[in-house]
Amino acid sequence: KQEVTQIPAALSVPEGENLVLNCSFTDSAIYNLQWFRQDPGKGLTSLLLIQSSQREQTSGRLNASLDKSSGRSTLYIAASQPGDSATYLCAGGSQGNLIFGKGTKLSVKP
Amino acid sequence: DAGVIQSPRHEVTEMGQEVTLRCKPISGHNSLFWYRQTMMRGLELLIYFNNNVPIDDSGMPEDRFSAKMPNASFSTLKIQPSEPRDSAVYFCASSFFGTQNTEAFFGQGTRLTVV
Repeated sequence: KQEVTQIPAALSVPEGENLVLNCSFTDSAIYNLQWFRQDPGKGLTSLLLIQSSQREQTSGRLNASLDKSSGRSTLYIAASQPGDSATYLCAGGSQGNLIFGKGTKLSVKP
Repeated sequence: DAGVIQSPRHEVTEMGQEVTLRCKPISGHNSLFWYRQTMMRGLELLIYFNNNVPIDDSGMPEDRFSAKMPNASFSTLKIQPSEPRDSAVYFCASSFFGTQNTEAFFGQGTRLTVV
């Protein structure tokens, strides 16, 4: 059964810093890996989707990578801004389902 | 498309009452997921459907929980009878699953409070 782990659980950085969020999964037969953002009291917003045949995806200041052999994905945020403060969740899809990690709560200080 | 639509947004009910949560997935999507989110346990997958058929309901916590998808554009999650520990935010999501999953999109959630 797929298990997804995110480290660290919380992260606080000064504005402008580049940062990396980590996600690991146990089932290498993963179909895709999706990163989401969740603001307090809100729903989940999809950021990036990486299919199993891909190694990375980029959107603006965000870059996500996927290494199936090591069971890891990373989300790189360049030049962080206070508006990036939110909880970031990764989810691994296999056998048609989508299993989430517990998220990394990011705080970007002005 | 208006995205995944859930109703109601908020529900407050008394213990023992029946609660029905509703979800309209994105048109053209054939996979639908129900999740429960709490501070302690994070996002838990309760059940997911593919082409209106329940594929995996191993996450449904108890027999008090049931889910249906009578057609491609509508699903319900029912709790009967409800208990205070069912208080959580319930999310519905949809995607298209063929040879690979497309991007999954979430509704705004239903915040359930059982008193």
